[in-house]
Amino acid sequence: GAVVSQHPSWVICKSGTSVKIECRSLDFQATTMFWYRQFPKQSLMLMATSNEGSKATYEQGVEKDKFLINHASLTLSTLTVTSAHPEDSSFYICSARSLAGYQETQYFGPGTRLLVL
Amino acid sequence: AQSVAQPEDQVNVAEGNPLTVKCTYSVSGNPYLFWYVQYPNRGLQFLLKYITGDNLVKGSYGFEAEFNKSQTSFHLKKPSALVSDSALYFCAVRERGNEKLTFGTGTRLTIIP
Repeated sequence: GAVVSQHPSWVICKSGTSVKIECRSLDFQATTMFWYRQFPKQSLMLMATSNEGSKATYEQGVEKDKFLINHASLTLSTLTVTSAHPEDSSFYICSARSLAGYQETQYFGPGTRLLVL
Repeated sequence: AQSVAQPEDQVNVAEGNPLTVKCTYSVSGNPYLFWYVQYPNRGLQFLLKYITGDNLVKGSYGFEAEFNKSQTSFHLKKPSALVSDSALYFCAVRERGNEKLTFGTGTRLTIIP
């Protein structure tokens, strides 16, 4: 149990386009979902925290107009990178925390590698 | 504020030997502590956690970790390393009442055949 999926796993896009990444909790309901960014050989940097049905809380330095987060249901959150530029190229990882049963544990998706040309 | 330190960027262990990956933490109150493993181009896989209770926590793939409150440590251990254990390991802490996990910088574990 406690599986989190992400789609797509890889995306290559042209500069200026928008990219949407989906994160789903497959076998549990997630009250809270998190989006992280990871640069090569570095730790995870938290970008934002989202609770179902409410606006995401962004970390300092993360542009909320550039990284749009929607947490429409207890099993789905999306991250849209708007007007992507090469510096947005990174590995994006989502994470979900459960309502019950798996409480106190965050489970992570497999990640999405974004390359902006 | 909560923080985690993984003092070793790289740990090399011969196959079959015991391994230890170190982690120390700092929180104001009581901690929730976690270990995750990351394989290349993959997300993080949950290994084990300490919430409360026994200080020795057993997790996936034969890993265990010991919560030591006096030393504020949560070192990851395994009695006999496998080549397949080679990966990047992250320690993380969350203070009770805080939504956010704080990660260490990661330790790359290499098991030498």
